Amino acid sequence: QKEVEQNSGPLSVPEGAIASLNCTYSDRGSQSFFWYRQYSGKSPELIMFIYSNGDKEDGRFTAQLNKASQYVSLLIRDSQPSDSATYLCAVKPGNQFYFGTGTSLTVIP
Amino acid sequence: ETGVTQTPRHLVMGMTNKKSLKCEQHLGHNAMYWYKQSAKKPLELMFVYNFKEQTENNSVPSRFSPECPNSSHLFLHLHTLQPEDSALYLCASSQDGGLAGAPRDEQFFGPGTRLTVL
Repeated sequence: QKEVEQNSGPLSVPEGAIASLNCTYSDRGSQSFFWYRQYSGKSPELIMFIYSNGDKEDGRFTAQLNKASQYVSLLIRDSQPSDSATYLCAVKPGNQFYFGTGTSLTVIP
Repeated sequence: ETGVTQTPRHLVMGMTNKKSLKCEQHLGHNAMYWYKQSAKKPLELMFVYNFKEQTENNSVPSRFSPECPNSSHLFLHLHTLQPEDSALYLCASSQDGGLAGAPRDEQFFGPGTRLTVL
């Protein structure tokens, strides 16, 4: 069973704070890791991908990967109300993508 | 048109109807996917096509029938659906390089079809 686990939330942070979203996965063969953002009623859109252990930064977003611990996280700095959405973690051990249930984030103005 | 498009965006059908969902990708990708998204559940992969050949069929009921005439188009034919099939149906595409960790192998999603079965 290839599982991707996320805390469903809801996670609430004040505007300007750091939001931390976490994801664990079961398949040690996973090589590609993705974070998608999904606004209510919309389809998922890719915001970050990471392949190597360590951190990857893109603007206010930082993805962190620890393959030994089978753990990937997403940090959102200076959170904005427009960041309020569901964040989906996805892993790709082979040719197939496996998604978590998503974490609902609310940024409070 | 750019990206991944899906039609119709909304569909209401009775249990005895036959309808089809259409997906088209304008990204030159070689793999296309159908997902089902229900409330409070993870995205459920239904079908995968790679170079027009079906490579995955995750125990989907036969009332869902996929068709991939070429690498840019994907259909999902629906017949005798059940109310529990009501969900958001998402199409996605990717460039499957066949190598784990190949760059730019992420999936791009279409806007989805919101299906309601009465």
